Amino acid sequence: QKEVEQNSGPLSVPEGAIASLNCTYSDRGSQSFFWYRQYSGKSPELIMSIYSNGDKEDGRFTAQLNKASQYVSLLIRDSQPSDSATYLCAVNWGSGGSNYKLTFGKGTLLTVNP
Amino acid sequence: EAEVAQSPRYKITEKSQAVAFWCDPISGHATLYWYRQILGQGPELLVQFQDESVVDDSQLPKDRFSAERLKGVDSTLKIQPAELGDSAMYLCASSSLFPDTQYFGPGTRLTVL
Repeated sequence: QKEVEQNSGPLSVPEGAIASLNCTYSDRGSQSFFWYRQYSGKSPELIMSIYSNGDKEDGRFTAQLNKASQYVSLLIRDSQPSDSATYLCAVNWGSGGSNYKLTFGKGTLLTVNP
Repeated sequence: EAEVAQSPRYKITEKSQAVAFWCDPISGHATLYWYRQILGQGPELLVQFQDESVVDDSQLPKDRFSAERLKGVDSTLKIQPAELGDSAMYLCASSSLFPDTQYFGPGTRLTVL
């Protein structure tokens, strides 16, 4: 059973602060890692993908991956009230191509207070 | 920007009735996925297609659920008969073989009364 664990939250930060979201996964063979944002009642929206160890930055978002520790995180700088949502960590596993399977964590609810 | 299309967006039905959901993936995406998401949980895979073939339906309750992608493009997920526990968001996603990023449609919110 492939597992993805996230901080259960909820996480509350003031506007302008850095929000830190964490995720661990069980399958050492996983190669692809994703963060999705999901507003209440809406479908998941891709924010970041990361494939290599280290940091990947996109605007206010930074994804960090450490395969040795089986850990992936998402940092949101200068948090805005519009960032308030559930953040889903997803990990791909499988032999590749059509055999890839995506396992999701339960999500962390982030609230950014004005 | 290309998007995954789903319909209907909302569906209310009574238990024991049949329901069907439709999905049109991003053009050129060979892989199509159906997920079910219960409130407070992450999406869980129901069925995965590669073109018109089922790659994985191990989590699909086959006594009541069926899925098809006859021409390898759009897909239909059916529930017959619906049960109270089927109330959830049903999500369709698609991806190319590489990169393996999955893009989601708007989902169908099903309520079974």
